[in-house]
Order: sequence, then C-alpha cells, then structure tokens
Amino acid sequence: DGGITQSPKYLFRKEGQNVTLSCEQNLNHDAMYWYRQDPGQGLRLIYYSQIVNDFQKGDIAEGYSVSREKKESFPLTVTSAQKNPTAFYLCASTPGKPSNYEQYFGPGTRLTVT
Amino acid sequence: SQQGEEDPQALSIQEGENATMNCSYKTSINNLQWYRQNSGRGLVHLILIRSNEREKHSGRLRVTLDTSKKSSSLLITASRAADTASYFCATVPLTGANSKLTFGKGITLSVRP
Repeated sequence: DGGITQSPKYLFRKEGQNVTLSCEQNLNHDAMYWYRQDPGQGLRLIYYSQIVNDFQKGDIAEGYSVSREKKESFPLTVTSAQKNPTAFYLCASTPGKPSNYEQYFGPGTRLTVT
Repeated sequence: SQQGEEDPQALSIQEGENATMNCSYKTSINNLQWYRQNSGRGLVHLILIRSNEREKHSGRLRVTLDTSKKSSSLLITASRAADTASYFCATVPLTGANSKLTFGKGITLSVRP
C-alpha cells in the first residue's frame, strides 16, 4: 500500500520533555509538511521541506525542529520550548509544489503533554 | 495567517438535501483546494481548482471559483450520512510563498439520517 504513516497515533509526555513524531511516506514525493491542528483553529504550518537536506519554517515554527535526511522521512521534534504542545499533528506530502499538486495527509498523531 | 475563511462555521442538513459551503480569501491565488476531514483523522483531498477555472465537478461534488469576488463554493448534492465531516478550503498564493497551502478554519457538516 502506498501512503503516509504517522506513529504513534496517541502520545503522552510530561512537561519539559522533548518528543519526536514520526512521518514516513512511500509515495516518492519530494515535498513534505508538518501541520498543527487545534480545535477551531484549522491547520497551521509548522515546517516544510521541498527536497532532502533542506527545510523551511512555516507560520508557527518556534519550539519545533525537523530533519530531512531521507526522502521518505520527515520527523518532527516538539521541544520543551514549545509553550502549548498539546495538539493534533498532521504530516503531508506532495509530488512537487502545491501550485501544481494536492497534498496527501497521514492519519495524524494526537500529542498530550501534562 | 489564515487566507481562506469558510462560511458557515457549522451546517446541519437532512440526508438527501444539498449542502453548500463557501470560502472567501484575501489575496490572488494560483489555486484553491477543498479537503474533507473525518473526526480524528487526516485530511482527504477533494478538488483542486485553478485560478483560470470557474467550475469543476467530481461525482456529487461541484466547486465554483469566482476570482473577482475572491470566493469559492463547494456543493455536495444528495448528501449522505457518510458526508458528515469537517470541510476545509486551502489556497496557494499566486506569487511569493507558492510552496505552501494556507488553510481556513473549516466547516462542520452534519448530515442527519
């Protein structure tokens, strides 16, 4: 099956701990994205990567970090500097730029920090 | 910053009725996309409409785009209970940051059996 996988589905952490969310795709897509979704807020872009070993900050990058060492993987680390990390995190990918293509989304990871 | 603003925020209809959802945006776009999200799941792409297109169809879905009014509408005909979900519009700007989508806050559609 082709698609995007995110793991785990639910994640619980104590305040002050860093946590890494996994995102893997086997669609051979060049671009990958991380979004955060809060109730009533829609999706907000955290980071995106158009090519391996390159990534750009989105609208709400503070307190997050990413890496893109392989085309198929784009892990997101939520650091202790992120003030309100509890949210639903969605990973997406496209074959190229969104000016030409739709985005394919993973099933999401719900992170709860207490 | 949110480019697309959907209207209404919530919509409740009876199965078999049509559902119309609207999206307005502020700056010129390359394309506008509609997505569906079932509760607690990822988003699923529905339709992409480019700035030089006025209408697109996909099954029971019809999307229109009016660039002069900077607005789009999504029509779902003969709705089913399975259409119950949140619907989002997302835009790609014409110039500048055209490597990313900007999403609206979404419309919650409830279809009563």
